[in-house]
Amino acid sequence: AQKVTQAQTEISVVEKEDVTLDCVYETRDTTYYLFWYKQPPSGELVFLIRRNSFDEQNEISGRYSWNFQKSTSSFNFTITASQVVDSAVYFCALSEAGNGYALNFGKGTSLLVTP
Amino acid sequence: NAGVTQTPKFQVLKTGQSMTLQCAQDMNHEYMSWYRQDPGMGLRLIHYSVGAGITDQGEVPNGYNVSRSTTEDFPLRLLSAAPSQTSVYFCASSPYQGSASEAFFGQGTRLTVV
Repeated sequence: AQKVTQAQTEISVVEKEDVTLDCVYETRDTTYYLFWYKQPPSGELVFLIRRNSFDEQNEISGRYSWNFQKSTSSFNFTITASQVVDSAVYFCALSEAGNGYALNFGKGTSLLVTP
Repeated sequence: NAGVTQTPKFQVLKTGQSMTLQCAQDMNHEYMSWYRQDPGMGLRLIHYSVGAGITDQGEVPNGYNVSRSTTEDFPLRLLSAAPSQTSVYFCASSPYQGSASEAFFGQGTRLTVV
């Protein structure tokens, strides 16, 4: 069963629009970690954020913000005032103690920001 | 600081050939892993290791072998390449301290099996 669901396969926005990427996860562990990674067209994987299950505080980093809600098992990612350089594939991932803390990735959301 | 180095970057194999994808890290990380990325599938875990001499299977281990004789190296062996193994392979490492840490990824190896 898919443990991390990113329902949005592709999103297209115009520059300066806000965009939210959804991530829903499934786990029975009480201790787990959630991640977001960015994969630009050049192909490398760039770490964006790590959040543990005991910290539900939302986080803001510049134009990026993350909303973690255990009640809905969601860890959504919002880009404010999007820019062309934000065009990439974004992956949400879950890490659990049960499998040695390996990353379990969603299928990714491809974001295209046009001028 | 080199981080995680994967070689080669590109490889074409014929069906039935074997080869080893190399992965080395210089950060003294205990945890290393291999993923494959296929269109529309995200990244799927092949094998992982929590330290030298210890390896375990991930989600899609069939057709692949690994070993971890040193902390630095974690090679991935394709025993008899098949077209279904055409993919982009990523190696990752992270400090394993009983919890999940940021994983550092290599640049990837694009493998085509014909």
